[in-house]
Order: sequence, then C-alpha cells, then structure tokens
Amino acid sequence: GAGVSQSPRYKVAKRGQDVALRCDPISGHVSLFWYQQALGQGPEFLTYFQNEAQLDKSGLPSDRFFAERPEGSVSTLKIQRTQQEDSAVYLCASSLVAGGRNEKLFFGSGTQLSVL
Amino acid sequence: KNQVEQSPQSLIILEGKNCTLQCNYTVSPFSNLRWYKQDTGRGPVSLTIMTFSENTKSNGRYTATLDADTKQSSLHITASQLSDSASYICVVTRRTYNTDKLIFGTGTRLQVFP
Repeated sequence: GAGVSQSPRYKVAKRGQDVALRCDPISGHVSLFWYQQALGQGPEFLTYFQNEAQLDKSGLPSDRFFAERPEGSVSTLKIQRTQQEDSAVYLCASSLVAGGRNEKLFFGSGTQLSVL
Repeated sequence: KNQVEQSPQSLIILEGKNCTLQCNYTVSPFSNLRWYKQDTGRGPVSLTIMTFSENTKSNGRYTATLDADTKQSSLHITASQLSDSASYICVVTRRTYNTDKLIFGTGTRLQVFP
C-alpha cells in the first residue's frame, strides 16, 4: 500500500479482555516498530522487528504484551487481560532499512485502545 | 536520564506569522535529531532529520537548527498557515548496540488562527 496501515482504528475492550492490533507496513520495509502513546504524551518505544526477527522488546510493559511478525511483513500486537492503564494510542512505524538509523520512519494513524 | 523537553507546551499564533519551537535534550550517545508533525488523530509525519554534523536543515517553510554542543534544537515555521495547526514533536535518536532508540518529546501544540 501507499502508507502504513493499522487496524482497527478504534478498539473498546472490557477490562480482562484480550485484544489484537494489526499493522501493515509499507511493502518492502525491513524495520517495524511499535509505540505506545498516552494522551498528551509523546510515543514510547515498545518493540522492534527486523524482518521477522524481534530484535528488541525491551519496551513492552509486561508479559501481557506480545508482538509478532511471522513472515516479515504484517505485524500483530497482542495484549492479554487488558487493564485500564493499557488505554492509549498504539502506533506502528516502518522504515526501509535495518536499524532505522538516519532513515525516515513512516507512521500509521494508530489504533486508539480504550479499556473500560 | 535520557530526556527530550520541548517548549512551549502550546502556542497560538495568527495566520501568516512566524514562530519558533524549542527542544532541549539530554540523550546520549546521540545519533540524530528529528522533528515530526502530528495532526490530531494521525501518526507523526517526518519534517527533518539532522545528524551531529548538521546545524540547519529546511523543508519548505520549516527550518530546523541543531546545536549539538548545547544539546538544543529549534523548529522555525515561516508564514504560518491554518494547516500548520498540529503537534510538533522533537525526537532524539539514542545510539545503542543493536538498534537505535527514538526518545520522543511531549510535543508543542500549535494552533494557527485566521
């Protein structure tokens, strides 16, 4: 596609429910990042993929958060047993080369997750 | 601690006026500094990327400066337009062993009124 696509655009979940957020990066982009953006804050790093390999997951806040990119293209961020503090916008970004150093990052519009 | 601080938090200007947004950082080791524009409900869009050796870079009406010695950057917007209303986020890339980490500021919310 022309840009990074994320779905769903909005997700409302009851506390304790599992959710799955999808990211379609720009075709051919090697690097894929997930960020969490709380209201009024800047995005914070969650995890990084280089193709299908998850090279850095140091930003995942707990073991309830899990991300995968099995074929090196589409990625899914899964949150188990959601809690109210998980409410945020989840942004996906991709870049053409590995590591993303000095490379432009292209962001999707995000999935706004609200946990009730 | 690796931090990026932006000022002001919010800014209101009239269409056609210029403005300057500030960014101070304590991120180390430094890789590059980026400015992003984020419209409400959208993902950030890259405006400029500057490495250590660059002290100014322009993108249309946007001009970013970088002083790596004082760890300060600014984003100057010339002849503002209504469409410039957005959050402007300063991002400093911290060099790490396997992949660089982007440290985001909380942004400056700019509103341009006619």
